[in-house]
Amino acid sequence: DQQVKQNSPSLSVQEGRISILNCDYTNSMFDYFLWYKKYPAEGPTFLISISSIKDKNEDGRFTVFLNKSAKHLSLHIVPSQPGDSAVYFCAASDDNYGQNFVFGPGTRLSVLP
Amino acid sequence: NAGVTQTPKFQVLKTGQSMTLQCAQDMNHNSMYWYRQDPGMGLRLIYYSASEGTTDKGEVPNGYNVSRLNKREFSLRLESAAPSQTSVYFCASDSGGALMSQYFGPGTRLLVL
Repeated sequence: DQQVKQNSPSLSVQEGRISILNCDYTNSMFDYFLWYKKYPAEGPTFLISISSIKDKNEDGRFTVFLNKSAKHLSLHIVPSQPGDSAVYFCAASDDNYGQNFVFGPGTRLSVLP
Repeated sequence: NAGVTQTPKFQVLKTGQSMTLQCAQDMNHNSMYWYRQDPGMGLRLIYYSASEGTTDKGEVPNGYNVSRLNKREFSLRLESAAPSQTSVYFCASDSGGALMSQYFGPGTRLLVL
């Protein structure tokens, strides 16, 4: 059973609008969360992180929200740009060491011009 | 500064053949990882090395062996390839510590016939 779920395999958004990518997890011990972005034929690249002591973290156009009681996090991209078209993975861990991160299956975001 | 490099980029094997996937990083990172990515699934950890001279199993180690040759290099070996090992393989590294994101290589696409 997947511990980290991204229930939307794909998402299309108009350029300039908000993109919201969702991630749900089942393990209540998870305290550290990362988002990665992946372009075709490339490896994932780190985007933004959050730990459970916060409920929000912002970095430019990217904001991650964490709702621990709902075991849910979301990534907001505002405004969306065509270059944001990629697959987005969320990952979660209970001890923030690399070997213990569990990855979701990813959501493919398409930003339409 | 090349980051994390992987060779080869693509490989076709017949069932029962062996091969070694190579990975190197030039960021002086302590920890290195091998993941596989299959359609509809997140990245799954095969093996990792927390420091030079140490290796440990991840979630899906069966059918694989690894060698941490030195601090820079971490290789993954398939002794007798099976069709179930058809996947995209990613190597990653990090400095090992609190909420450190991993740096990924571009991946090796492996097809086992």
